[in-house]
Amino acid sequence: GAGVSQSPRYKVAKRGQDVALRCDPISGHVSLFWYQQALGQGPEFLTYFQNEAQLDKSGLPSDRFFAERPEGSVSTLKIQRTQQEDSAVYLCASSLAGQGPPVEYFGAGTRLSVL
Amino acid sequence: AQRVTQPEKLLSVFKGAPVELKCNYSYSGSPELFWYVQYSRQRLQLLLRHISRESIKGFTADLNKGETSFHLKKPFAQEEDSAMYYCAPAGNKLTFGGGTRVLVKP
Repeated sequence: GAGVSQSPRYKVAKRGQDVALRCDPISGHVSLFWYQQALGQGPEFLTYFQNEAQLDKSGLPSDRFFAERPEGSVSTLKIQRTQQEDSAVYLCASSLAGQGPPVEYFGAGTRLSVL
Repeated sequence: AQRVTQPEKLLSVFKGAPVELKCNYSYSGSPELFWYVQYSRQRLQLLLRHISRESIKGFTADLNKGETSFHLKKPFAQEEDSAMYYCAPAGNKLTFGGGTRVLVKP
């Protein structure tokens, strides 16, 4: 594909359910980022991978959030025991640069609604 | 802590009028400065970055290191400029402001 692909586009979960959000970066992009965007806010950093190594996870809000990129390509963001405050759009971005931003290519996002 | 302030939540201007979006940041080190834009029903995309010193779609951004500001300007707004704009300084990751919605009226 030509761009960053995220699936599913929409996810509705009952409180307490586990969810998994997928990101397919642009082929060959070394860096991969996850952001959380609450309604009416700017995106907030969650975590960053360089290839398969998770170099920064300082933005993950709790230990219920977990991200992986085992083969240095596709990444999965997992949220365990979802809470209502987890409702947000989750954005994935990838970059060719291996030293962090410029992050130039964003996916369309996954909108998570926790009921 | 890194902080980005975009004081205007909404800017409403008439077509052909100038528009300026303010951005002030507090950031350790010397970040690279970006503006991102999100048009209706489209994904977030890069508008311009300071290091390129380019004018994109008629927009320019002036970095003032003394005031730690990176305001975005366009002398003559067009209806297609209506969108959400985010200021984002970056070290090894982007830090976004809260965004400014620009509405250009005909």
